[in-house]
Amino acid sequence: QSALTQPPSASGSRGQSVTISCTGTNSDVGGYNYVSWFQQHPGKAPKLMIYAVTERPSGVPDRFSGSKSGNTASLTVSGLQPEDEADYYCSSYAGSFTWVFGGGTKLTVL
Amino acid sequence: EVQLVESGGGLVEPGGSLRLSCEASGFTFRSYSMNWVRQAPGKGLEWVSYINMNTPSTYYADSVKGRFTISRDNAKNSLFLQMNNLRDEDTAVYYCVRDWTWAFDVWGQGTVVTVSP
Repeated sequence: QSALTQPPSASGSRGQSVTISCTGTNSDVGGYNYVSWFQQHPGKAPKLMIYAVTERPSGVPDRFSGSKSGNTASLTVSGLQPEDEADYYCSSYAGSFTWVFGGGTKLTVL
Repeated sequence: EVQLVESGGGLVEPGGSLRLSCEASGFTFRSYSMNWVRQAPGKGLEWVSYINMNTPSTYYADSVKGRFTISRDNAKNSLFLQMNNLRDEDTAVYYCVRDWTWAFDVWGQGTVVTVSP
């Protein structure tokens, strides 16, 4: 149950796009199409932004998109807005009813 | 409104016990598997435990296996986490989280557990 690897920080100017990576192994990210992404503002509970690698829950702006290649998943935020500044976490199903999270990425909107 | 409300957190000494509760509302609780996820101060998220809608299938992270027990009472729309032999590293905000197609789609506001002498 090792954590997935995310860059500690990412940044972009308002209106630009930024991509956050999430690297795991064949036992989690690479083995299942059950990667999720969460947004967390300070002092708040996480919010599901992407599930099943590419799917967006109702109410999540289409500026948020997900993808996966091999053992690495990615979250792309297009048209950055000030309210997108937050911590982002990936997670993946890891088999046998266990899950693993990434260490988190702090996104700064310049 | 779909809602999860945790309670039961607090200050406990190392080696002590604590029982967390989570009350669900706004959805058919018995139709969903549930999880506990925690976040240590200033740290990332850590999945702790899972219980499916038809107990007693339960699963745990290695870090809590043998010390924590997840359970549910579908008649009372409630999820529980019994935490025994608590350690300093168990200090965290504990979130009650609904499972939906292997994703964590609804989160409670969290309850704070502090393990300290």
